[in-house]
Amino acid sequence: ETGVTQTPRHLVMGMTNKKSLKCEQHLGHNAMYWYKQSAKKPLELMFVYSLEERVENNSVPSRFSPECPNSSHLFLHLHTLQPEDSALYLCASSQNPGGPDTQYFGPGTRLTVL
Amino acid sequence: GENVEQHPSTLSVQEGDSAVIKCTYSDSASNYFPWYKQELGKGPQLIIDIRSNVGEKKDQRIAVTLNKTAKHFSLHITETQPEDSAVYFCAASQTGANSKLTFGKGITLSVRP
Repeated sequence: ETGVTQTPRHLVMGMTNKKSLKCEQHLGHNAMYWYKQSAKKPLELMFVYSLEERVENNSVPSRFSPECPNSSHLFLHLHTLQPEDSALYLCASSQNPGGPDTQYFGPGTRLTVL
Repeated sequence: GENVEQHPSTLSVQEGDSAVIKCTYSDSASNYFPWYKQELGKGPQLIIDIRSNVGEKKDQRIAVTLNKTAKHFSLHITETQPEDSAVYFCAASQTGANSKLTFGKGITLSVRP
C-alpha cells in the first residue's frame, strides 16, 4: 500500500458518456499528478498540481479535465472520449513538484472506451 | 527535451542469476535517475535512485550505476528471485523545482524458477 488510492479500478464507458476518476493521497504531499500508461509506451505525464494549482498541462485534449479541490484529492473528468484513450490512468503524489521528489503511485484505473 | 531509452524490452533469467537493465538518456542537464518496479495490477514503485554526484549506489540485492559521460545508467539485480518478475522503468530528470520526470518504455523481467 503506497498511500495513494484510486477509484474505480476498472471503468468501461461509451464515447458519449461522462465519467470521473478519483485519486486520494494520505501522505501529506503537496503535489499530485495524472499519468497515462499505454502498452509498450513510456508513462505520459498529463497534469501536475502543486498546492491545488495546476503547474503542468502537457497538451492534453480538452476531453480530459482535471480538478484538484484540495491537496489530498485529484479528479480526472472524462467526456466524449475516443477508443484510443483506453489505457491505465495512474495518479501519483510527491512532497513537492519536481523530479527528485519520490513519486508514489496509486494502482491505477483501467479505462476501456467502447 | 529529455529522451530516455531502455533496452532490452524483455529479459528472462534463471532464478539465482543476475539481471542487468540498461538505460540511456539524452539531456546532459539531467542529474536524477530513479528506477521504478511495477507488478501486475499495481502502480510503479520506486526501488532505487541515484544522483549525478555519485557513480554507484547499492541496496541489498539491487544496485544502480551511472556513467554521466556516456549518458547511461544501469540497474543490477543479483541473486534474482521469482518475485523480482515485473516491469522495470528507468527515468531521468533535472533537480529544479517543477522539473519533469521522463520515463523509459519499461522492460519486462521474467525470473524462471
